Amino acid sequence: GESVGLHLPTLSVQEGDNSIINCAYSNSASDYFIWYKQESGKGPQFIIDIRSNMDKRQGQRVTVLLNKTVKHLSLQIAATQPGDSAVYFCAEKRGAGNMLTFGGGTRLMVKP
Amino acid sequence: DADVTQTPRNRITKTGKRIMLECSQTKGHDRMYWYRQDPGLGLQLIYYSFDVKDINKGEISDGYSVSRQAQAKFSLSLESAIPNQTALYFCATSERTGRQFFGPGTRLTVL
Repeated sequence: GESVGLHLPTLSVQEGDNSIINCAYSNSASDYFIWYKQESGKGPQFIIDIRSNMDKRQGQRVTVLLNKTVKHLSLQIAATQPGDSAVYFCAEKRGAGNMLTFGGGTRLMVKP
Repeated sequence: DADVTQTPRNRITKTGKRIMLECSQTKGHDRMYWYRQDPGLGLQLIYYSFDVKDINKGEISDGYSVSRQAQAKFSLSLESAIPNQTALYFCATSERTGRQFFGPGTRLTVL
């Protein structure tokens, strides 16, 4: 079936390094993608989104890249900090229904 | 104040009991959702509502029901709780663009 998935379930990085979290999607009809951050015991928090008519979008310390050719989405976090430790989910939306399909998540661990 | 609130935040109950989880939002969004999250896994959609008169089943609606009492309120009920419904439950609201805003979650344990 069509799904959103992640390559790496756990990513460990050194504080100050850049982090890259990847996501593969299989539905070429998806037109909107979101990255969420979920800290332990909390609900998912919006980080950044991107529409399918864009390749790149930047926020504060975060960048999302969309490669529609290979159906790949990535989240780059610059100068990773201990507060970035969390589980990161990508989600895709198909069509006008606003329904999101979530990936399984990647746990980011930041080493001091 | 939080835009999306959920009550209770934690609940322990016994098999066969009826449980209601409540969600309120102050964002003014028409669209509301209930998700379930099992440990180490992603979010699965239980039910969603695009307005007060619109209720739709998600991918895992069996064993659950919902009520949209007002634009700002969307409750989830487990008619007869069973242990495999032990999970984290999240309510969310969305704009028409698709971005969803999540509540803090309810941790439900069914013994």
